[in-house]
Amino acid sequence: NAGVTQTPKFRVLKTGQSMTLLCAQDMNHEYMYWYRQDPGMGLRLIHYSVGEGTTAKGEVPDGYNVSRLKKQNFLLGLESAAPSQTSVYFCASKAGYTGELFFGEGSRLTVL
Amino acid sequence: SQQGEEDPQALSIQEGENATMNCSYKTSINNLQWYRQNSGRGLVHLILIRSNEREKHSGRLRVTLDTSKKSSSLLITASRAADTASYFCATDINQAGTALIFGKGTTLSVSS
Repeated sequence: NAGVTQTPKFRVLKTGQSMTLLCAQDMNHEYMYWYRQDPGMGLRLIHYSVGEGTTAKGEVPDGYNVSRLKKQNFLLGLESAAPSQTSVYFCASKAGYTGELFFGEGSRLTVL
Repeated sequence: SQQGEEDPQALSIQEGENATMNCSYKTSINNLQWYRQNSGRGLVHLILIRSNEREKHSGRLRVTLDTSKKSSSLLITASRAADTASYFCATDINQAGTALIFGKGTTLSVSS
């Protein structure tokens, strides 16, 4: 049982480039989330989804877009990467609205 | 601004001692959760306490919740070197409980 899988695990971008982070979960969870983690800042919620075809903004949504075309996948896109988006990105999912989050292992992104 | 704030930011203890971490939050919640993160890894769920509960135990973990003070504490008894990690509290950001907001975390170091 893979749980939550993030790809890629590492990526280096130049300022202005675009990329997509993929999150896949095999637990049939309704809810999926993207967080970023920066030193001294803890985790901050970027966007989330409460079901296939839905998305909602979190604490720090600017500069990111997301899509949930399939229940098992949640994509995080950066249209024009900036050095301020250098971070570790975590995807998570949960079954119900009061459930625990299951996290992926993270994707480390560096924007030069 | 973040919902939950942990205190202290860092804690160093000897094996066998107890470790206590505190979390304060700002608005009413449905439940509060505690997570653990080993260095370089994703977060792992430890325990969930609902707003109508005052105390909960799981193995060496004891969590309390005081909704009147908007605070929670996590006690790890008889700490081990393997407990070295960062610990985060998380609270839901809306009444639907669809998204969790994390604090900045407490870094626990247990030396043998």
